Amino acid sequence: DGGITQSPKYLFRKEGQNVTLSCEQNLNHDAMYWYRQDPGQGLRLIYYSQIVNDFQKGDIAEGYSVSREKKESFPLTVTSAQKNPTAFYLCASTQTGGGPGNTIYFGEGSWLTVV
Amino acid sequence: AQSVSQHNHHVILSEAASLELGCNYSYGGTVNLFWYVQYPGQHLQLLLKYFSGDPLVKGIKGFEAEFIKSKFSFNLRKPSVQWSDTAEYFCAVNAANNAGNMLTFGGGTRLMVKP
Repeated sequence: DGGITQSPKYLFRKEGQNVTLSCEQNLNHDAMYWYRQDPGQGLRLIYYSQIVNDFQKGDIAEGYSVSREKKESFPLTVTSAQKNPTAFYLCASTQTGGGPGNTIYFGEGSWLTVV
Repeated sequence: AQSVSQHNHHVILSEAASLELGCNYSYGGTVNLFWYVQYPGQHLQLLLKYFSGDPLVKGIKGFEAEFIKSKFSFNLRKPSVQWSDTAEYFCAVNAANNAGNMLTFGGGTRLMVKP
């Protein structure tokens, strides 16, 4: 089945450690996104990429890094510089070229808890 | 930059009650509007979207939303809710000229439907 796969689903890390969340899509979508979901704040955009080897900062990029070496993959690294890393992280993708009305599809998310 | 407000954070209804969830956005230009739903333990799914044309948009599962441009609103409605509608609902917008398709989300509304 086509879709977006995020792994791991649950992750615990000690404070000060970097952690990388995986996002893979087999939808042949050009654009991929990382959002962070916190209670009462909805989803906030961390990074996005419209094409391989290119990505842009979103609204809350500080303390995060990404790469886009392959079209189907957009991993997110939560670095030790991120002050409040405990959150639910959502990866998304969409086709581009059809304009901003294209539907954005989401993965099932990754819960990161930093202790 | 655009912003989205969902005024009801938590809503509790009995089955068969009517539902209206408020969504207001702020942006000076033309927007595309979306409602997403997140059922417990599932990924975000698109309920409906508005780009242009008839301001009353019908989506899946009996939901509809009306775009009122003068009020910058895109409220979600359903005449008769079911227990299975228990979920979190997110309103989102993107600028119509936004080639990157990035969505700005509201804070979400948690709906609980009592059987």
